[in-house]
Amino acid sequence: LAKTTQPISMDSYEGQEVNITCSHNNIATNDYITWYQQFPSQGPRFIIQGYKTKVTNEVASLFIPADRKSSTLSLPRVSLSDTAVYYCLVGEYNFNKFYFGSGTKLNVKP
Amino acid sequence: GAGVSQSPSNKVTEKGKDVELRCDPISGHTALYWYRQRLGQGLEFLIYFQGNSAPDKSGLPSDRFSAERTGESVSTLTIQRTQQEDSAVYLCASSHSRGPAGELFFGEGSRLTVL
Repeated sequence: LAKTTQPISMDSYEGQEVNITCSHNNIATNDYITWYQQFPSQGPRFIIQGYKTKVTNEVASLFIPADRKSSTLSLPRVSLSDTAVYYCLVGEYNFNKFYFGSGTKLNVKP
Repeated sequence: GAGVSQSPSNKVTEKGKDVELRCDPISGHTALYWYRQRLGQGLEFLIYFQGNSAPDKSGLPSDRFSAERTGESVSTLTIQRTQQEDSAVYLCASSHSRGPAGELFFGEGSRLTVL
């Protein structure tokens, strides 16, 4: 499984757009990129998954450049409730072992 | 049930005692995972079950840890002779084998405190 590198923490203010970048330099051809969100005292929750270019859902957008060596999770107009830890995972579409790493702790301020 | 259910939600035990943690996956989900999360840290993969295949135990930290699953139903994680470093939240997740890979559904976790 490709190793991922994320910033340990980020600060933002309500209403701002937040972009969290994940590096995965040794991503393989069959690997997908998946992001999770974890609130305190809860299990992680699936946010979004992509392979290349851009994916958007009702929660976030995922931008993946052509070389796929990084990806950026974009959260539009964050609110206090978006304060959480965000994890980037990389693995094959049918991969079974999910390594979460330490994630990025996002702190949204009023 | 509608989601992954774990019990107990909190467990306090004395060093050296055995503990059992239970996970009820979402009905129809063939894959089941156990993770450990120490305070302020990320998730550590422990074990993975897929249907009736042999489980992937490569993440279990020592032979004091074991897990069982009957078919595609309940799983039990057992920690024998608990140590203080076992204190953590133990998270269970399940997924549908035909769903998008990476779409795990997590329970609320079992918080274990070893005194």
